[in-house]
Formats: sequence, structure tokens, C-alpha cells
Amino acid sequence: DAGVTQSPTHLIKTRGQQVTLRCSPKSGHDTVSWYQQALGQGPQFIFQYYEEEERQRGNFPDRFSGHQFPNYSSELNVNALLLGDSALYLCASSVTGVIHEQYFGPGTRLTVT
Amino acid sequence: GDSVTQMEGPVTLSEEAFLTINCTYTATGYPSLFWYVQYPGEGLQLLLKATKADDKGSNKGFEATYRKETTSFHLEKGSVQVSDSAVYFCALSTSNFNKFYFGSGTKLNVKP
Repeated sequence: DAGVTQSPTHLIKTRGQQVTLRCSPKSGHDTVSWYQQALGQGPQFIFQYYEEEERQRGNFPDRFSGHQFPNYSSELNVNALLLGDSALYLCASSVTGVIHEQYFGPGTRLTVT
Repeated sequence: GDSVTQMEGPVTLSEEAFLTINCTYTATGYPSLFWYVQYPGEGLQLLLKATKADDKGSNKGFEATYRKETTSFHLEKGSVQVSDSAVYFCALSTSNFNKFYFGSGTKLNVKP
């Protein structure tokens, strides 16, 4: 059984560009959360998707948006990239109703130059 | 708001030494508490958890006790190994929606 997978592994973009990151949840999981982990910091919650809708959102600007597909996979989109968006982006999946069980993917390392 | 504070690193120990990494929290309601570990180049892995006061989480020789009176969840291990070298994150969740708040992480270096 594959765990949470993310693509791509690494990405380099230029300021002002847009980026899309992808996540496939663990089999049987229906909820996807996204986190941003800056270098030397702990992950910070961006938002969570369930039933193809954004259910919760952290303190991130509207430049960060997402989507969840009927197969529960998810995308994170970031527009108008800033240098400060350089970070490891982590996806985590869980099952709604099974609280406090969350599995993380290996992350996508985004570098903005 | 909800938050986690953990001791800054890096922590450098010799093999077989005793480990303590301090973690305190602020939360509304009744949080569940977690320790995650991140090995170099890898994602976060759940190390242990405790869902109510006085619970003790344990795994791979690591332990942490949920202390409501001191709002703490300190990580301990009696004898560390080189393979324990990693970054350790304390985290809490107060909702049914699995929204986690993480500390800033503590890097552990274990020398042979």
C-alpha cells in the first residue's frame, strides 16, 4: 500500500511565476492537508480539503489556493511567487472521523529565485 | 491561539546518553499531543502520541507523558543511538479536523 505521494520532488521557479504541487493521499484517506515548512522551522498549516472543498485555512494569503479531485488527490497552487515562498511543502492525508491520525508525504522542495 | 514551544537545538549527545527534549503548549479545549520525527531528506513520521491528560505515549524506546498541570509533553529516551539523529517536532491538535500546530523542531545529533 503506497503511502502519501507528492510530485514533483524538487522545483525551481522565478519570482512572479505560478506553481502547482500535487499530492495523492494514502489509500482509503479522504482528507488532504497542506503545510509549508520553511528551512529550520516547523510545518505551518496552509489549508485542508475534504469532499472537494476547502474546510479549514491557516494564515496564508489568497495567492495560495488548492483543489481536491473526486479521487481525493489534491493540488496546491501558488501565484505570484515571492522569494519567501521557498520552502518544503508537505501534504498530509487522513480519514474524516478518525481524528488525530495524519500521514505525511515526503514533500516538494520549492526554490524561488 | 494554539501554539507549541519546544527547546531550541541542536542537542548533541554521545551514544547511550539520556535524552530529554522539552515541549510546552498553549491550547483552547483539550488537545491531543504528538511527537514527530524527520530524518534527513525524509518526510515527517509520527513517533508517538497522547490524546488525554496523564496518557503516556511510547515508541522505539521514546516516551512522553501528557501533563495538563504543567502543559507539557517532554520527549525522553533512556539511551540514544546514532540512528536517532534527526529533527524532532512537538505538535498539538485540538480539533476533529486534524489541523496540527507544530513547534519549531529540535535537531538531535548523536555521536558514536
